[in-house]
Amino acid sequence: DGGITQSPKYLFRKEGQNVTLSCEQNLNHDAMYWYRQDPGQGLRLIYYSQIVNDFQKGDIAEGYSVSREKKESFPLTVTSAQKNPTAFYLCASSSGGTSGSGELFFGEGSRLTVL
Amino acid sequence: GEDVEQSLFLSVREGDSSVINCTYTDSSSTYLYWYKQEPGAGLQLLTYIFSNMDMKQDQRLTVLLNKKDKHLSLRIADTQTGDSAIYFCAEKPLTGGGNKLTFGTGTQLKVEL
Repeated sequence: DGGITQSPKYLFRKEGQNVTLSCEQNLNHDAMYWYRQDPGQGLRLIYYSQIVNDFQKGDIAEGYSVSREKKESFPLTVTSAQKNPTAFYLCASSSGGTSGSGELFFGEGSRLTVL
Repeated sequence: GEDVEQSLFLSVREGDSSVINCTYTDSSSTYLYWYKQEPGAGLQLLTYIFSNMDMKQDQRLTVLLNKKDKHLSLRIADTQTGDSAIYFCAEKPLTGGGNKLTFGTGTQLKVEL
């Protein structure tokens, strides 16, 4: 079945450690996105990529890094520089371009807890 | 920049209609979306409406768009306990990077027996 797979579902990290969240899609979508969700704050865009080997900062990119070496994959690294990393992280993809309905398709999310 | 606002909570009784409201500021919005999020899960697209439409109906869901007032609503008829979730409104601007959507804060819908 086509979809977006995020792993791990739950992750615990000690302060000062970097962690990488995986996001894989088999929808043949050009664009991929990472959002952070905190209670009462909705979704905030961290990074997005419209094409392989290219990505742009979103609204809250500080303390995060990404790569887009393959069309199917868009991993997110939460670095030790991120001051408040405990959150629910959502990966999404879309067919890209500016025409069309452009809806996003989401993975099931990864919950990161910093101990 | 773009801003999308929703009330945080809504409580309804099973069988009643639910109406979730959303306001947005970007007059260039091309598409507006409603997503549903169940606890601990990702977002599921419920429906979307193009900005030149004022209504769209899909089974129990009715979306109303007032472009003049920049107001979007989602009506759920015959609300069931399975409809309990967070509902997000989102908009896609005409300009800007690709399909970068702006999301509201989400409305927590609680359905009581």
